[in-house]
Amino acid sequence: DIQLTQSPSSLSASVGDRVTITCRPSQSITTYLNWYQQKPGKAPKLLVFDASSLQSGVPSRFSGSGSGTDFTLTISSLQPEDFATYYCQQSFSSPRTFGQGTKVEIK
Amino acid sequence: QAQLVQSGAEVKKPGASVKVSCKATGYTFSTYGLSWVRQAPGQGLEWMGWVSGSNGDTNYAQKFQGRVNMTRDTSTTTAYLELRSLTSDDTAVYYCARNDYGDSDWFDPWGQGTLVIVSS
Repeated sequence: DIQLTQSPSSLSASVGDRVTITCRPSQSITTYLNWYQQKPGKAPKLLVFDASSLQSGVPSRFSGSGSGTDFTLTISSLQPEDFATYYCQQSFSSPRTFGQGTKVEIK
Repeated sequence: QAQLVQSGAEVKKPGASVKVSCKATGYTFSTYGLSWVRQAPGQGLEWMGWVSGSNGDTNYAQKFQGRVNMTRDTSTTTAYLELRSLTSDDTAVYYCARNDYGDSDWFDPWGQGTLVIVSS
């Protein structure tokens, strides 16, 4: 199984900050990497698919980049509604696997 | 737009089985597969497996092989997850999610989740 390691596991940031979350797979997955946002008590929501494609309706302050074994989700200017947990997920092989999550909290 | 609506919360005793449903609307059901993902309290996301919307083919995570069954009913556009031999470790929120496709695949949208509590 492909392991996904996210860093950091949690971070504290202020509104307006630039936030970067990293996801590193245990092997190369080309660009088959997706990002989700989950708020407490809610289902995950797709943000980015295929490493860098922004899902329709997702604000442009979110962006994804990377390939192979190094991926990044960036929030260019953190907004109050962005405080949540973020997960990466690989679709290169079965079983599909997720990172352990990165919790973004208010500083 | 595509929407998935799941059945309500369940409380089961250890050793029992649970069956969760996922009603799909707003898209052609047979064109997409559906995955099941669970989340134990305070934990991350765990993919359990996938069922094809067109022919019912399945692909299960090895961890659940032998005690999981994923099916679908195209007449009612509903997918089902059955999990047998429940233990307290199966206490979790269970989500269905549509597999959407491009170069690869991803999960969108998701159902609202079904809480399953396993307790004696």
